[in-house]
Amino acid sequence: DTEVTQTPKHLVMGMTNKKSLKCEQHMGHRAMYWYKQKAKKPPELMFVYSYEKLSINESVPSRFSPECPNSSLLNLHLHALQPEDSALYLCASSQEPGSPGNEQFFGPGTRLTVL
Amino acid sequence: AQSVAQPEDQVNVAEGNPLTVKCTYSVSGNPYLFWYVQYPNRGLQFLLKYITGDNLVKGSYGFEAEFNKSQTSFHLKKPSALVSDSALYFCAVRALNTGGFKTIFGAGTRLFVKA
Repeated sequence: DTEVTQTPKHLVMGMTNKKSLKCEQHMGHRAMYWYKQKAKKPPELMFVYSYEKLSINESVPSRFSPECPNSSLLNLHLHALQPEDSALYLCASSQEPGSPGNEQFFGPGTRLTVL
Repeated sequence: AQSVAQPEDQVNVAEGNPLTVKCTYSVSGNPYLFWYVQYPNRGLQFLLKYITGDNLVKGSYGFEAEFNKSQTSFHLKKPSALVSDSALYFCAVRALNTGGFKTIFGAGTRLFVKA
C-alpha cells in the first residue's frame, strides 16, 4: 500500500466550529507532515512529526492543533478558524525523518472552507 | 539561506515537442533536489530526485532532469510532451531545519501542452 489517505475530502465550517482532519498511511513511514496550500501557490509547511513526536512547528497559530496518535495516523484539530484559513490542507509522509534524500508521499488533500 | 527558483510561471508546448521546466537552487552543503507534479484538486506526486551520482536522473512518466552543479540548476525535461502532462510542476530542495528536514518548494510552473 503506497497511499496516503485523507478525510474528509471537503469541509465547510463556521468560525466557531471545532473539526478535525485525518490522515493515514500504512507504508511504515516515520515522518509525517501537514501543509497548507492556497490556489496556484506552493505548499507551506505547518508541522512535522518525527517518530510520532512533533519536531517542527512553523509558527502556526494555536487554532491549529496537530496530533499523532500512532505511527500511521496524523490528525489536525481545527478551532475558531478565520476565513483566510480556507485552503487545501495536504498531509504527507516520508520514510526516515533523518534522511533528506527521501521523497514525500502526499495525500489528495482536504479542501477547507471557513465561513 | 536555502531557496529554489522557478523563473517561469507558465510554459506552453505543442504535443510531441520536447519540454523543459526550469529550476535553480541555492543551498549550503550537498543539494537534495526533487520534482513533484500536481494535477487539479489533487495532492503532489513525486516525479524524480537527485541525491548524488549521475547528473541525468530519470523518473516517472518519461520525465528526466539534469543536475548542473556549476549553474546550480535542476531542469525538468521530457523528449515528447503529451496533453496529459499539463499540470503544475514544483521543484523542491530538502533543507536542514531545527528538529529535522523541511522541504522548500519553488513557486511552481504551470505546463500547458496543446494538442
